[in-house]
Amino acid sequence: ETGVTQSPTHLIKTRGQQVTLRCSSQSGHNTVSWYQQALGQGPQFIFQYYREEENGRGNFPPRFSGLQFPNYSSELNVNALELDDSALYLCASSLGDIPSGANVLTFGAGSRLTVL
Amino acid sequence: AQKITQTQPGMFVQEKEAVTLDCTYDTSDPSYGLFWYKQPSSGEMIFLIYQGSYDQQNATEGRYSLNFQKARKSANLVISASQLGDSAMYFCAMREGQGQNFVFGPGTRLSVLP
Repeated sequence: ETGVTQSPTHLIKTRGQQVTLRCSSQSGHNTVSWYQQALGQGPQFIFQYYREEENGRGNFPPRFSGLQFPNYSSELNVNALELDDSALYLCASSLGDIPSGANVLTFGAGSRLTVL
Repeated sequence: AQKITQTQPGMFVQEKEAVTLDCTYDTSDPSYGLFWYKQPSSGEMIFLIYQGSYDQQNATEGRYSLNFQKARKSANLVISASQLGDSAMYFCAMREGQGQNFVFGPGTRLSVLP
């Protein structure tokens, strides 16, 4: 059973640029969530994709967008990068068909984005 | 208002001793789940333990146990027999109802001393 993998692990961008982060979900999982973790803080929910549709979004502007593919992998796109977008971006997968609060998120190691 | 509060920014514990990491939460939803995750310096969030709001007994997973006090809205993590490898950030998180997102606390940095 493969876990959640994310790429790239580190990247540096400048203000105004665009970035795409990628995530492969754990085998058997059909739901992917993205979280932003600023330095010294807990992760904050960006959005979630279930069966290729966005089905939940946190308090992030529209320049944060995403995709989920038929194989349940996912992309996070951020346009018009700002300095405050510097953070660790965590992808997590889960099995969205389980109607239970016990549905555990399995996280990847994250993509660390630095915006200069 | 903070939904998850972790009042201990940092904790130290001697190897082989037990340690309790505090977590209080705020919700009006009768159905919720509480989770603890460990984040080593590598960045990956590792699931440790889960407690459902309707669970009658405290959850346990190996050396981890969750001291769930529903009336006080607290869900403290107890780590028994601490090991050097337990040094990491620990996050308490909550999912309300069948909601899509987890809400995380600010975390507690645990340092295990030899």
